[in-house]
Amino acid sequence: NAGVTQTPKFQVLKTGQSMTLQCAQDMNHEYMSWYRQDPGMGLRLIHYSVGAGITDQGEVPNGYNVSRSTTEDFPLRLLSAAPSQTSVYFCASRSGGTANEKLFFGSGTQLSVL
Amino acid sequence: AQKVTQAQTEISVVEKEDVTLDCVYETRDTTYYLFWYKQPPSGELVFLIRRNSFDEQNEISGRYSWNFQKSTSSFNFTITASQVVDSAVYFCALYYGQNFVFGPGTRLSVLP
Repeated sequence: NAGVTQTPKFQVLKTGQSMTLQCAQDMNHEYMSWYRQDPGMGLRLIHYSVGAGITDQGEVPNGYNVSRSTTEDFPLRLLSAAPSQTSVYFCASRSGGTANEKLFFGSGTQLSVL
Repeated sequence: AQKVTQAQTEISVVEKEDVTLDCVYETRDTTYYLFWYKQPPSGELVFLIRRNSFDEQNEISGRYSWNFQKSTSSFNFTITASQVVDSAVYFCALYYGQNFVFGPGTRLSVLP
């Protein structure tokens, strides 16, 4: 079982470049989300989706875009990268069946914006 | 607003010592869920435990134990007889509505 798969694992961008972080899950989870992890700040929610065609903003959505065309995939787009977006990004999913279902995380993407 | 505080930024202990990681949460909801995750040096996030607001029983799993106290809004995590492999960043998280809010994490270093 692959679980949650994120690509790439590492990425270096120049300021102003755009890119897409890919996330796919094979557990038929309705809920998917993107977090960023910065030192001393824990994980902060960027965007989330409760099903195909439905997305919403989290705590820190500015500069990021998402779409959810299928249950499996939830890509995160950086429209014009800035140094403040240097971070580790995690995709996570969970079953929407019950309220206490745990999050399953991908292995993370370390992004540096120069 | 929901908030999770982990006041201990970094803790260092010597192997075999017991260590407690503190977690204090804020929420106005009467139904909520609390979680602990471990992030070892390899970087992945590993689920440890979940607890709902109606279940205040303490839980023990091997060397790990959790103390949930609604009266003080705390969900503390104790590792007994710590081992080097316990070295990691530990996150406490609160589930509300549809999403999770995470604390800033506590970095635990267990020295041989």
